[in-house]
Amino acid sequence: QQQVKQSPQSLIVQKGGISIINCAYENTAFDYFPWYQQFPGKGPALLIAIRPDVSEKKEGRFTISFNKSAKQFSLHIMDSQPGDSATYFCAAIQGAQKLVFGQGTRLTINP
Amino acid sequence: DSGVTQTPKHLITATGQRVTLRCSPRSGDLSVYWYQQSLDQGLQFLIQYYNGEERAKGNILERFSAQQFPDLHSELNLSSLELGDSALYFCASSVDISDTQYFGPGTRLTVL
Repeated sequence: QQQVKQSPQSLIVQKGGISIINCAYENTAFDYFPWYQQFPGKGPALLIAIRPDVSEKKEGRFTISFNKSAKQFSLHIMDSQPGDSATYFCAAIQGAQKLVFGQGTRLTINP
Repeated sequence: DSGVTQTPKHLITATGQRVTLRCSPRSGDLSVYWYQQSLDQGLQFLIQYYNGEERAKGNILERFSAQQFPDLHSELNLSSLELGDSALYFCASSVDISDTQYFGPGTRLTVL
């Protein structure tokens, strides 16, 4: 119930392409869905987040699409660049409860 | 830079030993969280403090303990260390208990 399932585990995309990472959840009480980006040797950094009352949020090249009925959300990275190569974590939280993370996706952008 | 600081950056110790990891939250943040990240377990929530009081517990072993001090910095104590405790330990902070969490750079613990 508290899990967030993330796929794929790893992803290779050519420079300029679109990177898509998907997450699914079961707990309909989750009310905040952040995405974190983590570079090797660094802590996760908040990238973009969405609440379930909107279906899409865009910040620059990064877009979250949210499908409340399917209990799924995804991160789209447009015009992917080598500097986007990192591990991406989706997460979900319900109110003041703990943040539940997906297992992570290692993204590699080939130049 | 998230504004969350953690010391030390690296720690190498032997099995059976005890270590203390330190975290200073962002200015103004009252809530502190500790996470463990290992290759096979991803990011695991350990424990949360809010303004000095424990608020939530996750998968924290009995050998581990934490506290948040009046100046809001937090320490994670790991004792009777085992090889399997080798991991990255992250601290995160937020203004309130349901706000966005900002992560520190982590402490890499190696138990030999």
